[in-house]
Amino acid sequence: QITLKESGPTVVKPTQTLTLTCTFSGFSLSTGGVGVGWIRQPPGKALEWLALIYWDDIERYGPSLKNRLTISKDTSKNQVILTLTNMGPVDTATYFCVRRRHYGDFYFDYWGQGTLVTVSS
Amino acid sequence: QSALTQPASVSGSPGQSITISCTGTSTDVGGYDYVSWYQQHPGTAPKVIIYDVSSRPSGVSNRFSGSKSGNTASLTISGLQAEDEADYFCGSYTTISTAWVFGGGTKVTVL
Repeated sequence: QITLKESGPTVVKPTQTLTLTCTFSGFSLSTGGVGVGWIRQPPGKALEWLALIYWDDIERYGPSLKNRLTISKDTSKNQVILTLTNMGPVDTATYFCVRRRHYGDFYFDYWGQGTLVTVSS
Repeated sequence: QSALTQPASVSGSPGQSITISCTGTSTDVGGYDYVSWYQQHPGTAPKVIIYDVSSRPSGVSNRFSGSKSGNTASLTISGLQAEDEADYFCGSYTTISTAWVFGGGTKVTVL
């Protein structure tokens, strides 16, 4: 059974750095072609793809936030970590962890339930 | 990149068919057959129900079907059931920055 679960702070202050952890099970990020990443959804708005990291350490970032984002992985712990610097009110959103089964698949086959992060002083 | 456009809500009676549209551009929906659809019930993780425009993952009901014409993709739910009441959102791969774009979601209500 494949599961992904997001963890991290529910509230961050403006200008702070957000660090979120995705802990997954049922698959390995050392399997060829696999990627794990993040998607967010501000309240009432569209989903926004943020970043992906692949089994071979290749990182990919969405264009709008790439200067503020870093994605990394700890394969031994089955974790993927996302950091987003200089948080502002517009970064208030539900953040989802997702899996891309293979780089030949252009969709996300498993999602976490999401974690709501609110930016507030 | 801009988000894909979906209607905010669609409703139908049990047994009816409904269709949800997802409009993009030639750089995403219209350019590639990489449209996917996701279903999300409140408090649960989104679940992929259609990928590559019209393919269904194993275990997904054949009451769900997908299609595409030009820059607009569509999800049709046939024989609407109470359990289909959920949020549905579309996604598409785009070669702009080799990224993904998504719609804002459509709330389906079963009357």
